[in-house]
Amino acid sequence: DAGITQSPRHKVTETGTPVTLRCHQTENHRYMYWYRQDPGHGLRLIHYSYGVKDTDKGEVSDGYSVSRSKTEDFLLTLESATSSQTSVYFCATTADGTEAFFGQGTRLTVV
Amino acid sequence: GQNIDQPTEMTATEGAIVQINCTYQTSGFNGLFWYQQHAGEAPTFLSYNVLDGLEEKGRFSSFLSRSKGYSYLLLKELQMKDSASYLCAVREDQQLVFGAGTILRVKS
Repeated sequence: DAGITQSPRHKVTETGTPVTLRCHQTENHRYMYWYRQDPGHGLRLIHYSYGVKDTDKGEVSDGYSVSRSKTEDFLLTLESATSSQTSVYFCATTADGTEAFFGQGTRLTVV
Repeated sequence: GQNIDQPTEMTATEGAIVQINCTYQTSGFNGLFWYQQHAGEAPTFLSYNVLDGLEEKGRFSSFLSRSKGYSYLLLKELQMKDSASYLCAVREDQQLVFGAGTILRVKS
């Protein structure tokens, strides 16, 4: 398995607070993705990166920002968390756009 | 944009064959993927098709028709452990976009 680590694995936060989730990979993969997974919606793309400092928006980017200052790290920030952002967040990476590997997921609860 | 459709749920019997269909509408197509996801776990890669035709890997096969915007995942000799969600995903340019997934229940 690719070395992909998400942190934290679980987090409970209050409405209105900023939250940052981290995805760390040891595979030197070029592409990195952030998804959220909710019942009935499958995996929805939030933001993605195709290189250091190269990022773009996905389908559900409102309320989220990302940064990629190093190949190995892709950070997802919820600027002001809302209850609608309660979800399971997955990071994925791929070297060349073929097989993508997923992290173990972060369960975020906004109360 | 992308539009990926797959059935919400399917039920099949242990030892049988099941086919999960996926239709998509997209521009800039760069490949179609199938992933398996067990409850509470991360998705794991099953197959990748970029050209038309059938790709076989053990009990699992995946088919692609780009002109029809259609793919299917074929699971043979079903086992109880195959009970999971199966996710169809399309790579469009540099994005990897998923359908909502098909929950497969295997009964004995």
